[in-house]
Amino acid sequence: GEEVAQTPKHLVRGEGQKAKLYCAPIKGHSYVFWYQQVLKNEFKFLISFQNENVFDETGMPKERFSAKCLPNSPCSLEIQATKLEDSAVYFCASSQFRVDTEAFFGQGTRLTVV
Amino acid sequence: AQTVTQSQPEMSVQEAETVTLSCTYDTSESDYYLFWYKQPPSRQMILVIRQEAYKQQNATENRFSVNFQKAAKSFSLKISDSQLGDAAMYFCASPTDKLIFGTGTRLQVFP
Repeated sequence: GEEVAQTPKHLVRGEGQKAKLYCAPIKGHSYVFWYQQVLKNEFKFLISFQNENVFDETGMPKERFSAKCLPNSPCSLEIQATKLEDSAVYFCASSQFRVDTEAFFGQGTRLTVV
Repeated sequence: AQTVTQSQPEMSVQEAETVTLSCTYDTSESDYYLFWYKQPPSRQMILVIRQEAYKQQNATENRFSVNFQKAAKSFSLKISDSQLGDAAMYFCASPTDKLIFGTGTRLQVFP
């Protein structure tokens, strides 16, 4: 597709439940990035992929967060045992080469943990 | 480590006037790009303008232009003839292997 598609737009989970977010990058883009935007508007980098390979995972809270980009499937970000502080908007972005060309963003998934 | 700093949490401007949003950065790279993104209430991230560090000339896109001072590591965004639709959060960003964002400036535009 010609845009980054994120689903769902909104997700509500009880504390301790699992949350799974999806991202379909623009066709032909090799790089996928996940960011977390918390209420203070700050963007926190989580993880990036080059095709199906993890490129940089320095931002991932590894004990509860995991992510995959498998061939012919949307990329996914999964949070096990959600906590209140996981409430945020999660953005996916894709770029054709590396991010120093242009990264195109999806509309985000708003996760609310209650 | 790459850092990006936006020192203005909020700015306001009258419609049709000009406003400048500030951004400073730090990098060890010799060649790099700098971006300004706009995030309206819809949350969609929109690339406003891009500057390549090796280019001396400041980038311009219609009413948007940058003042890029490489030695000072400063990258400010100037919005001319401000419009109500310019009201949004503006993020300065510097990419290496990932985009590093500043903390954002909320721009209000008054009629």
